[in-house]
Amino acid sequence: GDSVTQMEGPVTLSEEAFLTINCTYTATGYPSLFWYVQYPGEGLQLLLKATKADDKGSNKGFEATYRKETTSFHLEKGSVQVSDSAVYFCALSGGGRRALTFGSGTRLQVQP
Amino acid sequence: NAGVTQTPKFQVLKTGQSMTLQCAQDMNHEYMSWYRQDPGMGLRLIHYSVGAGITDQGEVPNGYNVSRSTTEDFPLRLLSAAPSQTSVYFCASNAPGQGGNTQYFGPGTRLTVL
Repeated sequence: GDSVTQMEGPVTLSEEAFLTINCTYTATGYPSLFWYVQYPGEGLQLLLKATKADDKGSNKGFEATYRKETTSFHLEKGSVQVSDSAVYFCALSGGGRRALTFGSGTRLQVQP
Repeated sequence: NAGVTQTPKFQVLKTGQSMTLQCAQDMNHEYMSWYRQDPGMGLRLIHYSVGAGITDQGEVPNGYNVSRSTTEDFPLRLLSAAPSQTSVYFCASNAPGQGGNTQYFGPGTRLTVL
């Protein structure tokens, strides 16, 4: 079945540091890929998405590129802020299903 | 639009009690789903519905029932709560044709079973 693997956290960075959170997936066909963010005490919000190979999703300074050859969708940001502290989830949907398969989440802590 | 709403926000139950977690959306979305979130495990699909009157099981359906009598509402019922059902529950919805199956999540219900 489908699966998503993302790097374990917590990831602790200083403000303005470069961020990478790795995400790889296993799926049949051509899934859509997502990054969701969960701020403390809140539900999940869509951060960005990509629906086909080589697409780049971007939002709020975050970027991720759909790499089919490496089955990856790594999240990057050039300069993180304290307000980016949250849990980040990589997810996919595919095979005609609208349900999402999630990774285990990566907690990011940004220190001033 | 209120989006996806869930009630209650917090609930404590004793083992064996029953309860219903409410979920409603005002976006006229056909597809709705329930997930549970446990530490270190991400979110796992419990049940989903592709429209009124149609439901199906997800990855972890045991101990939960659902029904979908209207487009707006998708309640999740725990018939006999167990400590293993202590979790945070999220309801989500999306509409057909939305590129890449973007789902909208409610704020969650934190359930503790003693």
